[in-house]
Amino acid sequence: SAVISQKPSRDICQRGTSLTIQCQVDSQVTMMFWYRQQPGQSLTLIATANQGSEATYESGFVIDKFPISRPNLTFSTLTVSNMSPEDSSIYLCSVQSTGYNEQFFGPGTRLTVL
Amino acid sequence: SQQGEEDPQALSIQEGENATMNCSYKTSINNLQWYRQNSGRGLVHLILIRSNEREKHSGRLRVTLDTSKKSSSLLITASRAADTASYFCATGPNSGYSTLTFGKGTMLLVSP
Repeated sequence: SAVISQKPSRDICQRGTSLTIQCQVDSQVTMMFWYRQQPGQSLTLIATANQGSEATYESGFVIDKFPISRPNLTFSTLTVSNMSPEDSSIYLCSVQSTGYNEQFFGPGTRLTVL
Repeated sequence: SQQGEEDPQALSIQEGENATMNCSYKTSINNLQWYRQNSGRGLVHLILIRSNEREKHSGRLRVTLDTSKKSSSLLITASRAADTASYFCATGPNSGYSTLTFGKGTMLLVSP
């Protein structure tokens, strides 16, 4: 399985500011995914990030609010823009293994917006 | 809406007992995956079962899949306090992107 790291692991931010979350994988992967987990809830897919193309966003998520970069096959960033307390969540990146469809997750970034 | 629905929402057992969690889904799937999450941390991948498989084992874990009933179960045998966590099922679609749709999860508490 891939080893995935995320930075920061947690942060407390002020309303109206932005936070960029980094996701690093120890091997090249085609598809990376960003999920949000609101307090006490399950995971919801924000977007799929492929290298060399625009991210594909799920219904309810827009690029202006959650811009994503994917500069190479081992790295991606998710920015949470103009934050409000409703953005307080755990944000997780994941990658899909080649050939077997398993998805592996990073340790998550716990974001609190005051 | 969520694809998967786990039940029970919460399960409390004693160490040594078996824990069974169920997952139901609504549409055709390519695969179903089970994950564990400890205290709001990252998800640990437990097992993937494909739509053409009926049962898989991994250590103390046993997963079944019944595509006719659109349901899956996760059995943890001889549970330990360290198994205390939330367990999620996630379905991979039959076509299109390989994105996962998660159920709401079962919170398992194993008491010593």
